[in-house]
Amino acid sequence: DTGVSQNPRHKITKRGQNVTFRCDPISEHNRLYWYRQTLGQGPEFLTYFQNEAQLEKSRLLSDRFSAERPKGSFSTLEIQRTEQGDSAMYLCASSSGTGYGFYEQYFGPGTRLTVT
Amino acid sequence: DAKTTQPTSMDCAEGRAANLPCNHSTISGNEYVYWYRQIHSQGPQYIIHGLKNNETNEMASLIITEDRKSSTLILPHATLRDTAVYYCIDSPGANNLFFGTGTRLTVIP
Repeated sequence: DTGVSQNPRHKITKRGQNVTFRCDPISEHNRLYWYRQTLGQGPEFLTYFQNEAQLEKSRLLSDRFSAERPKGSFSTLEIQRTEQGDSAMYLCASSSGTGYGFYEQYFGPGTRLTVT
Repeated sequence: DAKTTQPTSMDCAEGRAANLPCNHSTISGNEYVYWYRQIHSQGPQYIIHGLKNNETNEMASLIITEDRKSSTLILPHATLRDTAVYYCIDSPGANNLFFGTGTRLTVIP
């Protein structure tokens, strides 16, 4: 399968614990995006990378959220000191492109986080 | 943040055309109209996009009004597999997609 993959698919954690999710984009894609989706809502943009550079992070929900893409390939999203309100589906997407304009984003299946 | 408005839900008979409307009341000149859909338990999937002209691809057609304040996504022959939430988005580029709550389309046998 050459699509976007995300691991784990499901994560249950206790409030206050740290969690990390991984996203592996389509291999030739240089852009990678993270979204959060809560029940009944559309995906909410969080951040994106072009290669290893994080070009937009003002939408990260709080300073407990951080993302990395150290070698411009896979990416991780970490949530520190989780809260029950962090329970959601976390989606990753990737696309090609280096300039301005439309590049189709391909989404992974998501990681469902439940904070108890 | 999402700027478009869509009906919450719609039904369509299998085999008939599904016409999904969207209002883009604050769209600006350099913003494209994008449509994505999300089938249950999957990530969103790109359908089509356009700027001013109507567009067609193998999945759907996109009709954009002359003033660009509204668009319609047309699925010409809806099948049960088209049951999904459909999102319209207007954005100057595809880097930051701001999804609204979308239209839940149910295709009825």
